[in-house]
Amino acid sequence: SQKIEQNSEALNIQEGKTATLTCNYTNYSPAYLQWYRQDPGRGPVFLLLIRENEKEKRKERLKVTFDTTLKQSLFHITASQPADSATYLCAQGPSGGYQKVTFGTGTKLQVIP
Amino acid sequence: DAGVIQSPRHEVTEMGQEVTLRCKPISGHDYLFWYRQTMMRGLELLIYFNNNVPIDDSGMPEDRFSAKMPNASFSTLKIQPSEPRDSAVYFCASSATGGNQPQHFGDGTRLSIL
Repeated sequence: SQKIEQNSEALNIQEGKTATLTCNYTNYSPAYLQWYRQDPGRGPVFLLLIRENEKEKRKERLKVTFDTTLKQSLFHITASQPADSATYLCAQGPSGGYQKVTFGTGTKLQVIP
Repeated sequence: DAGVIQSPRHEVTEMGQEVTLRCKPISGHDYLFWYRQTMMRGLELLIYFNNNVPIDDSGMPEDRFSAKMPNASFSTLKIQPSEPRDSAVYFCASSATGGNQPQHFGDGTRLSIL
């Protein structure tokens, strides 16, 4: 079955540094990966999408990479701020259906002032 | 623009009771998804609809769970009878048609079954 893994350990970094989160996939080659942010008590919010034929995607301080050889996506937040503290989820798709995606369990990021 | 609206935000009920969760998707979105989120299992897809028709309900855990979408602006997820292991946060999401479209989530219903 399709599996997508994120580091379940929380990531603590100092304000101003670059945060790097990892998403690994197995048993499947997704056509795209999506990254979402989830704050406590709220639903996930879409941030970025990267397709399998794209190596890198950027949006403001966010950067996502997609390495099909390593079966891995990296999500970077540069110049991190305490407001970036949240749980970040990656999702692979399509996953058994045109619009379906499979979510990882998320990595909690804490940016320390 | 109104996002996905879910109600109630919190529900506490006793084991054996019927629970109904409600969702209003974003207008114009053709796809609607119901997810369950727990610490242990993360975000799991229960069922999704396209143009009000259920496409895949393979994630629905048991016959106690049922979902309907009577029109493009409303969907329900029902649990009858409820059990303590159903306690979780239930999310509804909608998306537009087209490959790799992002999903837009509501803020969820936190369900506690005593």
